[in-house]
Amino acid sequence: DAGITQSPRYKITETGRQVTLMCHQTWSHSYMFWYRQDLGHGLRLIYYSAAADITDKGEVPDGYVVSRSKTENFPLTLESATRSQTSVYFCASSGGLESSYEQYFGPGTRLTVT
Amino acid sequence: AQTVTQSQPEMSVQEAETVTLSCTYDTSESNYYLFWYKQPPSRQMILVIRQEAYKQQNATENRFSVNFQKAAKSFSLKISDSQLGDTAMYFCAFMKHRTGANNLFFGTGTRLTVIP
Repeated sequence: DAGITQSPRYKITETGRQVTLMCHQTWSHSYMFWYRQDLGHGLRLIYYSAAADITDKGEVPDGYVVSRSKTENFPLTLESATRSQTSVYFCASSGGLESSYEQYFGPGTRLTVT
Repeated sequence: AQTVTQSQPEMSVQEAETVTLSCTYDTSESNYYLFWYKQPPSRQMILVIRQEAYKQQNATENRFSVNFQKAAKSFSLKISDSQLGDTAMYFCAFMKHRTGANNLFFGTGTRLTVIP
């Protein structure tokens, strides 16, 4: 399917477990982003990537790890999940200038840490 | 740092009426983009409208238009002829205009309910 997809859509995990959220886009966009959405905060940037093997921290990176070995994939890993990481996670991609910097969002993953 | 403020947590409007959602932002940048995103109950983030700061003309997309006041750092969204499908969270967002990865800074959102 064309577009940007996230998996799983829903995840329940326990404190201390490692969890990986997947993001895949089919447009070959250079730029990819991870945001988390929490009540009272809107969406906040966790990490972003300008290309394969190039990643950088956003506003709230603590407790998260990213990698980007292929242009189309941008997984987000919670190394040791905490209750404060219960949130909805959105992946987005952008073609940069060629798409007027518009970001296209995935459907989101609702993560609950118990 | 960029901040985006949406001072109306919730609003409601009668079907077919007009409603305006407010957004202010703070930045030292001279060139940037502003966006309104819609998030219906499905949770999908949908781009409603965008505005380039260097353009004086207000952007319009069908029933959606903005009032962009650069000096006042204000970017309000007007929805005309409101429809039930407009019920959603609306987020105002800011993006610097620079080469490379440009992330979005979001406001906290306004929940809009369209009443039949």
